[in-house]
Amino acid sequence: DTEVTQTPKHLVMGMTNKKSLKCEQHMGHRAMYWYKQKAKKPPELMFVYSYEKLSINESVPSRFSPECPNSSLLNLHLHALQPEDSALYLCASSLTNRGQETQYFGPGTRLLVL
Amino acid sequence: AQSVTQPDIHITVSEGASLELRCNYSYGATPYLFWYVQSPGQGLQLLLKYFSGDTLVQGIKGFEAEFKRSQSSFNLRKPSVHWSDAAEYFCAVGLNTNAGKSTFGDGTTLTVKP
Repeated sequence: DTEVTQTPKHLVMGMTNKKSLKCEQHMGHRAMYWYKQKAKKPPELMFVYSYEKLSINESVPSRFSPECPNSSLLNLHLHALQPEDSALYLCASSLTNRGQETQYFGPGTRLLVL
Repeated sequence: AQSVTQPDIHITVSEGASLELRCNYSYGATPYLFWYVQSPGQGLQLLLKYFSGDTLVQGIKGFEAEFKRSQSSFNLRKPSVHWSDAAEYFCAVGLNTNAGKSTFGDGTTLTVKP
C-alpha cells in the first residue's frame, strides 16, 4: 500500500455543525500533516504529528482540532467553522531516509462551509 | 528563512512542444528541493526531488529538473508535453530535517494547447 487516503472527498457543513476529516496511510510513515489549500494558492501547513505526538501547530484557530489515534490514522475535527474555512484540506505523511524526508500527499477533502 | 519564487504564474504550450518551468529559491544552506504536480481538485503528486549528488534529477511522467547552485534555481523540464500534463505545478524547498516545514512557491498553471 503506497498511498495516503482521505475521507470524505467532499463535505458541506453549516457553521454550527461538527464534522471530522479522516486520513490514513499504511506505509509505516511516522510523521503526518494537515494542510489547508485555497484555490490557486500553495498548501499552508496547519499541523504536524511526529510519532503520534503533535509537534507543530501553525497558530491554527481552535475550531480545528487534530487527533492522531495511532501511527496510521490522522483526524481533523471541525467545529463552528466559518465560511472562509472553505478550502481543500490535504493530508500528507512522510518518510525519512538517511535524514532526507519526502512527503506523500492524499487527494484531499474539499470542504464547503455555509 | 527559506523562500521560493516561481516567476511564471501561467504558461501555455502546444502539445508536443518542450516545457521549462522556473523555480528560484533562497536558502542559507544546501536545500532540499521538490517539484509537485496538482491536477484540478486533486492532491499533490511528487514529480521529483533533489537532496544531493547528481544535479540533473529524473522524475516521473518524463520530467526532469536541474539544480544550479550558482543560479539558485531548480527548473523543471519536459521535452514533449502531453495534454494530460495540464495542471498546477509547485516547487518547494525543504529544511534538511523536516519536509513538513517545506516552503512552497505560489505555483505555475500549465495550459496545453492541442
